[in-house]
Amino acid sequence: EVQLREFGGAAVLVGESLRLSCAASGFDFGGLTMHWVRQAPEKGLEWVSLISWDGGSRNYVESVKGRFTISRDNSNKVLYLQMNSLRTEDTAIYYCAKDLSSRSGLDHWGQGTRVSV
Amino acid sequence: QSILTQPPSVSGAPGQRVTISCIGSSSDIGAGYDVHWYQQLPGTAPKLLIYNNNYRPSGVPDRFSASKSGTSASLAITGLQAEDEGDYYCQSYDSSVNGVFGGGTRLTVL
Repeated sequence: EVQLREFGGAAVLVGESLRLSCAASGFDFGGLTMHWVRQAPEKGLEWVSLISWDGGSRNYVESVKGRFTISRDNSNKVLYLQMNSLRTEDTAIYYCAKDLSSRSGLDHWGQGTRVSV
Repeated sequence: QSILTQPPSVSGAPGQRVTISCIGSSSDIGAGYDVHWYQQLPGTAPKLLIYNNNYRPSGVPDRFSASKSGTSASLAITGLQAEDEGDYYCQSYDSSVNGVFGGGTRLTVL
């Protein structure tokens, strides 16, 4: 069974940092692109970042470039999102999600972790 | 970065058919990237409903279908049921291979 579990959400002050983790199991983690998607309170989904299977490609939404860093540990099947210089507009539930295959939709999502700035 | 345009809300009576549009541009959908659809029921994480424009993951009823043409796409739900009530999102990629979501459509079953 595919499982994605996010950790690390918390209430922090403007300008502070936070690292989110996503523990994966039940699939070939090291072979797939992974994503972070967020949802602000009472708002829609916003794609945040993706990282290719080998970490060679990392893309970000414009509003987090230079502040957020996505990374992964394929040996331990963990996805990370380092968030620095947090702003109030970063307040959201953060979901990790896996590609079905290359750009074929996000077929499994975690339950989300809440970040409040 | 682009954002895909969806109607804020749609509604229909049980048993009816509703459609949700997703309008993009030549920089995303029109650039050839596939469109995917998600259903988010209240208080839950999103669920993949349709991938690669018109394919249903295992377990998704055939009441759900979708299509893509040019710079837009649409999701159709037939035989509307009370449990379909929730939010629906389209998603694609832009020319920089950044993900992009639509603003979401709230479906109300009357």
